[in-house]
Amino acid sequence: AQSVTQLDSHVSVSEGTPVLLRCNYSSSYSPSLFWYVQHPNKGLQLLLKYTSAATLVKGINGFEAEFKKSETSFHLTKPSAHMSDAAEYFCVVSVLWNNNDMRFGAGTRLTVKP
Amino acid sequence: DGGITQSPKYLFRKEGQNVTLSCEQNLNHDAMYWYRQDPGQGLRLIYYSQIVNDFQKGDIAEGYSVSREKKESFPLTVTSAQKNPTAFYLCASRPGGAVGNQPQHFGDGTRLSIL
Repeated sequence: AQSVTQLDSHVSVSEGTPVLLRCNYSSSYSPSLFWYVQHPNKGLQLLLKYTSAATLVKGINGFEAEFKKSETSFHLTKPSAHMSDAAEYFCVVSVLWNNNDMRFGAGTRLTVKP
Repeated sequence: DGGITQSPKYLFRKEGQNVTLSCEQNLNHDAMYWYRQDPGQGLRLIYYSQIVNDFQKGDIAEGYSVSREKKESFPLTVTSAQKNPTAFYLCASRPGGAVGNQPQHFGDGTRLSIL
């Protein structure tokens, strides 16, 4: 079985300051991990993915995430927040051989203050 | 450009009525999925299909039905048996096979409300 916990339901930062969105996972096997972003009334857009290659993964729009097996974490970071980053973010875990067992976190809403 | 198209964007259901949400993809993906999204919750899987003419129940299939007659299309029917249908519905697709490391592609969703 596998699961994802996003540790903060809401994060608020000021424009230009760093962003940290926290995700812990549980998986019986080597996981694949994804971060998606969702703007209001829109679908989910892939930010980045980890699939057992480099542990530091770079994504779109300046976001990156680090896979830490010892801590079972996959936190999303960005050095400097932009107003357009305000959205809902989802952490997702799946296993390599099962195309249909993807588990979504409950989401973290990011607010960016001017 | 390849992608997933969901229609309509907004839908209203009357008491006792069945409604159908459309999902079409031109990504040549074998697998397709329907999710329900409620405020403050992650996505919950309703149904998925790995191949034409085959589909499986997800975690919350009661009150919903699907069909997969064509690779490109995976419509979802919300039946009158679904007593709390108000939600945002998302369709997704993914390459087929044992490819758990491939991300899903999502449509822009349909918002369903009760009249």
